[in-house]
Amino acid sequence: NAGVTQTPKFRVLKTGQSMTLLCAQDMNHEYMYWYRQDPGMGLRLIHYSVGEGTTAKGEVPDGYNVSRLKKQNFLLGLESAAPSQTSVYFCASRIVPGQTSPLHFGNGTRLTVT
Amino acid sequence: AQTVTQSQPEMSVQEAETVTLSCTYDTSESDYYLFWYKQPPSRQMILVIRQEAYKQQNATENRFSVNFQKAAKSFSLKISDSQLGDAAMYFCACPDSGGGADGLTFGKGTHLIIQP
Repeated sequence: NAGVTQTPKFRVLKTGQSMTLLCAQDMNHEYMYWYRQDPGMGLRLIHYSVGEGTTAKGEVPDGYNVSRLKKQNFLLGLESAAPSQTSVYFCASRIVPGQTSPLHFGNGTRLTVT
Repeated sequence: AQTVTQSQPEMSVQEAETVTLSCTYDTSESDYYLFWYKQPPSRQMILVIRQEAYKQQNATENRFSVNFQKAAKSFSLKISDSQLGDAAMYFCACPDSGGGADGLTFGKGTHLIIQP
């Protein structure tokens, strides 16, 4: 049981390049989330999804797009990377919609934009 | 949006001693859960403990316990008999009732150092 898997683990981009981060979960979770973590800022929600085919904006969505074509996958895209998007990105999922269950996290992707 | 405040950017404790990490939050919800997560240098986010707001009894998980004061919206984490493996960033989190489909709002974290 792999849980939540993120690929890649590390990536270096040049300004203006594009990339997609993949999150896959094998727990049949309905809700999925993308967070970014910056030093001294905690984790901030970028986008989230409440089910296959649905996405919504979180606290810091600008510069990112997402897709949830399959229930088990949640993709985060950067169309034109900027140095301000240098961060550690975490994907998370939740077993039950509602406030009772914790988030299950992937191991993060460290992205550097030069 | 919810706010979660961790007022201690860094804490240091001697091995085997007890340390308390503070957290205050703001929510308009009446029934909710609160969480503490640990992030060691490996970067993995690990659930430490959770508290149900409608329960008066404080949650306990082995050496970890909380002091939950609902009226004060305070949710502190106590670590007893501190061990070297407890060294990590600790994040307090509360549900996001601002339309985030029950995602979590996180505090900025407390860096816990364990002195041998």
